[in-house]
Amino acid sequence: NAGVTQTPKFQVLKTGQSMTLQCAQDMNHNSMYWYRQDPGMGLRLIYYSASEGTTDKGEVPNGYNVSRLNKREFSLRLESAAPSQTSVYFCASSEVYSSRGYGYTFGSGTRLTVV
Amino acid sequence: ILNVEQSPQSLHVQEGDSTNFTCSFPSSNFYALHWYRWETAKSPEALFVMTLNGDEKKKGRISATLNTKEGYSYLYIKGSQPEDSATYLCAFRSGNTPLVFGKGTRLSVIA
Repeated sequence: NAGVTQTPKFQVLKTGQSMTLQCAQDMNHNSMYWYRQDPGMGLRLIYYSASEGTTDKGEVPNGYNVSRLNKREFSLRLESAAPSQTSVYFCASSEVYSSRGYGYTFGSGTRLTVV
Repeated sequence: ILNVEQSPQSLHVQEGDSTNFTCSFPSSNFYALHWYRWETAKSPEALFVMTLNGDEKKKGRISATLNTKEGYSYLYIKGSQPEDSATYLCAFRSGNTPLVFGKGTRLSVIA
């Protein structure tokens, strides 16, 4: 049981390049999330998908787009990468968005550097 | 934007010491409070999910309490071991919204 799988694990981009971070979960979870983690900051929510077919902005959505491709997959796209997007990106999932009692399961992270 | 505060930022204890840290969150519109353990080079793992005022949860030597009326939660580690070294994250849900994370408390246990 793999849980939440993120690809790639590491990536270096040049300013202005685009890329898509992939996330897939095999736990039949309904909700998925993208967070970024920067030094001295907590995990900050970029976008989330409460259920298949829906996506919503989080705290720091500028410069990103997302696609909930199906129940398993939730991708994060950087259309024109900027150095400010250098960060570690975590994908997470949870069983039912509206339920109080479920924790999040996190992927292992993607370390992105934009030069 | 909700504010979740954790203290202290970092902590160094000797093996065998007991320790505790604090998470403060808004006391209005409480929905849930989570604690996660995050080891270096790994991903955060859920420790506790707490939903009711007065909740107390325990897993081995780690326990947590919750006071929703005053907006705080404590995490306790009894008899700290080197393998407890990690960052402990607190995260809060207000209403039916995604988790908002604190910056974490980094614990180092010295053998």
